[in-house]
Amino acid sequence: EVQLVQSGAEVRKPGESLKISCKGSGYNFTNYWIGWVRQMPGRGLEWMGVIYPGDSDITYSPSFKGQVTMSADKSISIAYLQWSSLKASDTAMYYCARRESGWNAQFDYWGQGVLVTVSS
Amino acid sequence: DIQMTQSPSSLSASIGDRVTMTCRATQSISRYLNWYQQKPGKAPTLLIYGASNLQSGVPSRFSGSGSGTDFTLTISSLQPEDFATYYCQQSFRTPHSFGPGTKLEI
Repeated sequence: EVQLVQSGAEVRKPGESLKISCKGSGYNFTNYWIGWVRQMPGRGLEWMGVIYPGDSDITYSPSFKGQVTMSADKSISIAYLQWSSLKASDTAMYYCARRESGWNAQFDYWGQGVLVTVSS
Repeated sequence: DIQMTQSPSSLSASIGDRVTMTCRATQSISRYLNWYQQKPGKAPTLLIYGASNLQSGVPSRFSGSGSGTDFTLTISSLQPEDFATYYCQQSFRTPHSFGPGTKLEI
């Protein structure tokens, strides 16, 4: 069974750093892109970017480039999303999702989400 | 970037109704269009990919159509568990943007 299990909720102060994780199981983690999606409170879904764990190739949305860093450790099947200096506006739910390997690039499996709260 | 719009933003319907919602792209995306369902407090789930392909395990009352810039999601006979928010997403060109969603309410 394909599963993506994300790390737990986080509370941080503005200016602090943070790294959240997404562990894949039940499939060959190396061979599928992992995407990150932001959902701010009461808002819609925003595509942040994708990473290919096999070679750490990354495509960022222009809206998020320079704001976050994606990485992956294929040896332990974990993808990461990190911030070096959080802002209050980073408060949101963050989902990881597996991108299907076929022609259409849909997100076929999703993690449960990580709620990140940034508040002084 | 390709922008996605959805209409209506919210929709009221009853059990057993047939409902249709639309998604439009600012440029042609061929059939690179996906539909997701999100219930409150839950992660989205994939319903339709490639404009009209039903994801495994999704009930056949869901169907998708369209190509180019205009797409529709149809639910043939609403069930209680279908009340949720529905998002379209283009996967033609990165960033693979989502639409703002259609909230389906009782």
